[in-house]
Amino acid sequence: EPEVTQTPSHQVTQMGQEVILRCVPISNHLYFYWYRQILGQKVEFLVSFYNNEISEKSEIFDDQFSVERPDGSNFTLKIRSTKLEDSAMYFCASSDVRWGTHYEQYFGPGTRLTVT
Amino acid sequence: LAKTTQPISMDSYEGQEVNITCSHNNIATNDYITWYQQFPSQGPRFIIQGYKTKVTNEVASLFIPADRKSSTLSLPRVSLSDTAVYYCLVGDGGSQGNLIFGKGTKLSVKP
Repeated sequence: EPEVTQTPSHQVTQMGQEVILRCVPISNHLYFYWYRQILGQKVEFLVSFYNNEISEKSEIFDDQFSVERPDGSNFTLKIRSTKLEDSAMYFCASSDVRWGTHYEQYFGPGTRLTVT
Repeated sequence: LAKTTQPISMDSYEGQEVNITCSHNNIATNDYITWYQQFPSQGPRFIIQGYKTKVTNEVASLFIPADRKSSTLSLPRVSLSDTAVYYCLVGDGGSQGNLIFGKGTKLSVKP
């Protein structure tokens, strides 16, 4: 069964450093997403991406965040200058149809980001 | 997006059927009802989706009454491995696809 993969599984970084979280969505999917989950809290939507551009973003996704699909397979989330409160599990997801008729997104295993 | 309300936690024993009910009084005509499951330290996993009446797949059943103001996820004969958080999500076709998760229902299955 195809799956979304994410690397690294755990990233430790110092405050103020840039991090790039990587995801390989399922190959025939067209819609890509990033979510985060702070320990013990809800899963929160960050951004959706379609046709090489951001479709929608949440208030969390400020100027410190950016996404990119640098090639035909990878989808990345960059945090320019990490803060302590960015420590969370970051999930990448992908889907092949628009939400509404099919709301089935496939999530990766996540990258645990720890900012010290 | 319609607000959802579901129990914070539920306990069950192995082999029992578990029903988790979600209230969504403000559901809109175009909204679908979707359930996800999340194990600790893993990403959420799609379980089932429905619009009205009953939907069944190999994992669960979803019961939606005619007024669609609530829905019930039914897990037949649960096992210890079904211990997880279950999320009910409701949304319309105009959205860009971002899932809005609530706190979910933490299901604990005991031997």
